[in-house]
Amino acid sequence: NAGVTQTPKFRILKIGQSMTLQCAQDMNHNYMYWYRQDPGMGLKLIYYSVGAGITDKGEVPNGYNVSRSTTEDFPLRLELAAPSQTSVYFCASSYLLSGAINEKLFFGSGTQLSVL
Amino acid sequence: ELKVEQNPLFLSMQEGKNYTIYCNYSTTSDRLYWYRQDPGKSLESLFVLLSNGAVKQEGRLMASLDTKARLSTLHITAAVHDLSATYFCAVYMDSNYQLIWGAGTKLIIKP
Repeated sequence: NAGVTQTPKFRILKIGQSMTLQCAQDMNHNYMYWYRQDPGMGLKLIYYSVGAGITDKGEVPNGYNVSRSTTEDFPLRLELAAPSQTSVYFCASSYLLSGAINEKLFFGSGTQLSVL
Repeated sequence: ELKVEQNPLFLSMQEGKNYTIYCNYSTTSDRLYWYRQDPGKSLESLFVLLSNGAVKQEGRLMASLDTKARLSTLHITAAVHDLSATYFCAVYMDSNYQLIWGAGTKLIIKP
C-alpha cells in the first residue's frame, strides 16, 4: 500500500544545476500537488494538476516546471537551481480538489533539497 | 491575502498534562484542516472542520473552529509520548481553491 512516493529523500545541488523530483501515487487520484516548506514557514503551493495533461501554477511557481503525462506521476523540474530553492518539497494527491468538502490530502515523505 | 498563524511554534510538555495549540487566520473561511507530521514521515490528515462551532475529537485530540473569531484550537488532553509530532493547520481560500498553511507547531511530550 504505497500511497504517495517521492524520490529522492535528500539531494544537494550546485547553483545552476537542474534536477527532477519524482512523485508517484497509486490511489488513482486525479489531483496532485507540489508544495515547498521553508524553515519556520507553512507549506506553499508550487504547482498542481487536476488530471493528466492539465497543470496550473500555485502561489510560488517561479523557477519550477511540472508535467503530468499520466495519472500516477507528477514530476517537478528545477531548472538552474538557486540557493532560494533550498527547502523541503512535498508532493501530495487527493481524490477531490483541496478544499472540497471532507476532502483530504495524502502526502509523500518529502525531499530535502539544498542548493549550494 | 489570507495569512495563517499558529502558536506556539514549539511546545515541550510533560506526559499527563493538557495543552492547546492555536490557529488564527486573517480572512473569512469556513473550512479548516489539521494535519500531523512525524519526523521524516508524511503529513497525515487529523481533522476537517467545516462550519462555525464544529468540534471533532479523536482519542486525546479535540479540534474546534470559531469562524467568527477566525480561530481554531487543537486541544490535547492528558498528553502521551506518542502524540509528539508537528501539527499543522491549513485554511481553505475560496478565491483560488488553495489551502493556506500555518508554520506548524512542534510538540514534544516528555515521559
